[in-house]
Formats: sequence, C-alpha cells, structure tokens
Amino acid sequence: QKEVEQDPGPLSVPEGAIVSLNCTYSNSAFQYFMWYRQYSRKGPELLMYTYSSGNKEDGRFTAQVDKSSKYISLFIRDSQPSDSATYLCAMGRGSARQLTFGSGTQLTVLP
Amino acid sequence: DTGVSQDPRHKITKRGQNVTFRCDPISEHNRLYWYRQTLGQGPEFLTYFQNEAQLEKSRLLSDRFSAERPKGSFSTLEIQRTEQGDSAMYLCASSQGLAGEVEQYFGPGTRLTVT
Repeated sequence: QKEVEQDPGPLSVPEGAIVSLNCTYSNSAFQYFMWYRQYSRKGPELLMYTYSSGNKEDGRFTAQVDKSSKYISLFIRDSQPSDSATYLCAMGRGSARQLTFGSGTQLTVLP
Repeated sequence: DTGVSQDPRHKITKRGQNVTFRCDPISEHNRLYWYRQTLGQGPEFLTYFQNEAQLEKSRLLSDRFSAERPKGSFSTLEIQRTEQGDSAMYLCASSQGLAGEVEQYFGPGTRLTVT
C-alpha cells in the first residue's frame, strides 16, 4: 500500500464549477501538506502548503487538512479552463526533507 | 528569471550509454533535491543535498546513479549504463533551508528516453 493515495482521474468539470481534489495518507508522521499543479510536460508548481488541521485559503483555492482522518483536500472555486492540469498532493516530515507525492489527479475544466 | 533551471530539457540515448543532467537551483537556496517522475505517477524522491553534502539517498538510487553538488551551487545527476527502465522525467527542486521553510520549488525537468 502506498503511503499517499490520491483520487484517480481524470476529472472533467464545466467552467465555474467547484472542484474537490482529495488525498489520504497512512503515515501519521507527516507534518506538512502541499498541493502542486503540473501542466503537461512541465515541472510541478507549488500552490499551497499547510502544517495544521483546518482550512487555509488563497484566492480561489482552499486547502483542508484533517489529521485525525489522515485526509487532505484542495477546493477550487469558480474553476477556469486555465486550471486544467494535473494536481499533486505532497507530504513531508521533518525539516525540509523529501516529499512523498500522490499519483496526481488530471483535471479538465471545459469552457 | 531566478527559478530552478535544468539542462538539457530532453535527452534521447541508447541503452548502455551514460548521461548527465544539470540543475541550477534558485540562487541562495542551500537545499537541492532530485526526483524522478514516470508517466501517470507523482515524483519519487531520489536524493537530497544540503550545500555540498549529500544527506539522503533513496533506495531507488541504484549504483548506476550518482549525484554531486560541488561547491554547493549547481548539481549534476549521472546515470551510467542506461536501461530502458530509466526513461522518465528527472526533476530538480530547491529550498531555502531556513528553519521551518519547507517549500520546494521545482525546475522544468529533463525528460530522458532510453531506446
């Protein structure tokens, strides 16, 4: 079993929809949680990160962490075609150590 | 532009050949990471440097792989005697290394195809 499991895609939504992307993890040692966006044939781009359980908002993006359930989510409001990409969750423990990634969810936002 | 840069962006090689990739981190970032990503998967950690010291290596990093970061600036990743299973995107990331700073910033990657 992988340490980080991510909902499989692909996910296709109409423009303006609210998108929910999710990951679960098994290792309670993970201390911080990140979401990256990756466009085709590009490197991952950091969207958000958080340490604690609860919600963190940045513009149209909200990251949610529930450590008791070992479950994290990324919500995208008012989704745009430019949001079409693969979204990767990533988790880490210790200071600036290696990240463990989910396998990614491919999102398409249709105009 | 002060982002992470990688060179080359694409490399096609024949099985058995050696290849070397270069990564230039964000200026003043003292931590540098190498990851490998195959199609449909997330990046997998290979190795990590703090300044010039290689502090962690994954079990994925076989004896055919070697990484260096002389003088704590750019880094190179060499794969000797390439195999078809080495075909992947090789990603480099860097981070500041300050206490509590966990953000890793990725470069565009080097896509390796072994024929």
